[in-house]
Amino acid sequence: GAVVSQHPSRVICKSGTSVKIECRSLDFQATTMFWYRQFPKQSLMLMATSNEGSKATYEQGVEKDKFLINHASLTLSTLTVTSAHPEDSSFYICSARYGYTGLNTEAFFGQGTRLTVV
Amino acid sequence: EDKVVQSPLSLVVHEGDTVTLNCSYEVTNFRSLLWYKQEKKAPTFLFMLTSSGIEKKSGRLSSILDKKELFSILNITATQTGDSAIYLCAVNYGGATNKLIFGTGTLLAVQP
Repeated sequence: GAVVSQHPSRVICKSGTSVKIECRSLDFQATTMFWYRQFPKQSLMLMATSNEGSKATYEQGVEKDKFLINHASLTLSTLTVTSAHPEDSSFYICSARYGYTGLNTEAFFGQGTRLTVV
Repeated sequence: EDKVVQSPLSLVVHEGDTVTLNCSYEVTNFRSLLWYKQEKKAPTFLFMLTSSGIEKKSGRLSSILDKKELFSILNITATQTGDSAIYLCAVNYGGATNKLIFGTGTLLAVQP
């Protein structure tokens, strides 16, 4: 299957700082990428849909000013957690689909990023 | 409200047992249902189902979809300890944006 690379896999930061997480599709172009958050023993919650060349679409309850998403190219989307707080500590996962927007294909996931805010 | 519900939430079996995991859904504009296996990190893709009654099979795993009753099952036969994981069901819905809504997952533990 297609490969999605996410970096870093683990990050520890101080409260109040910002953290950037990268998601790359390595062998295909992804016009749309998705960012999820997963708490321990819970399922994946969609945070936002990242669209190449346009603004991201955020799910209800997700603060767009706190979770900045940039999708500058067809192979890279970034999620920046701004002014991180301990409650932002979580597992963040990105996913991408190949093909044009709307094509019904499976999503491939990055390895995830474990964020710990101290 | 769109939702995906999985059952059971957790399951403990012994090697060699057969397990059936359930996934029911209520979404608008259903497009497909997907099963993923999640071990320590990111989910890995297992199956994508779009049509009712057509079984998809991969080794000891198989899955089928019933679009009339709005559910899917994932079967694992002759379970092994390596099958221990969280199994996630997701539904692709909502038209062109291709969003996935995930169920809560089933935590499967296979004991030797």
